[in-house]
Amino acid sequence: EADIYQTPRYLVIGTGKKITLECSQTMGHDKMYWYQQDPGMELHLIHYSYGVNSTEKGDLSSESTVSRIRTEHFPLTLESARPSHTSQYLCASSEGGQNYGYTFGSGTRLTVV
Amino acid sequence: RKEVEQDPGPFNVPEGATVAFNCTYSNSASQSFFWYRQDCRKEPKLLMSVYSSGNEDGRFTAQLNRASQYISLLIRDSKLSDSATYLCVVNGRDSSYKLIFGSGTRLLVRP
Repeated sequence: EADIYQTPRYLVIGTGKKITLECSQTMGHDKMYWYQQDPGMELHLIHYSYGVNSTEKGDLSSESTVSRIRTEHFPLTLESARPSHTSQYLCASSEGGQNYGYTFGSGTRLTVV
Repeated sequence: RKEVEQDPGPFNVPEGATVAFNCTYSNSASQSFFWYRQDCRKEPKLLMSVYSSGNEDGRFTAQLNRASQYISLLIRDSKLSDSATYLCVVNGRDSSYKLIFGSGTRLLVRP
């Protein structure tokens, strides 16, 4: 039973389109994160938020933007998709604190053609 | 130098074998340590936290060596279902809320 949901699971879209990847969690977690991962490669943090109206860029430069208007919702938007954006996008949330790991959503596999 | 380094493997072992992975981290002030498991094309899932005194969960044992800045994961009596990539995770330099994921060690358990 997933407590963090990502939609869509798969998306194929044309170059230049605007897209929003949805991420919602029902655990009341303040901390939320977006990671990008190419097949067989490591996870790269692209955005994170420690609470409502708080967002920061991660370690990997990304052309995407995020918003955090509600605790449970952390959508990621690409204004103009390009083939270089083709990747898997993983959303995670955390209760925070020293011994709390992240819970990940199932991911969105994005293909830009 | 990466903040978290792992041997990418793959480790190819027979069922029933014992296998160990190590991971080194660069931030001596790190306080949070985890092992995650990631199956092919799936999301990472928390396998276990790693505590200073070491901890065990069934066939899995995790150890932390702060002096040498490495973490280990031992899997006993390997099962076919243990085949996956194992990610070493440590909190980042600038925040205990940001976790840094290693590139992962791939394990293949053969019949």
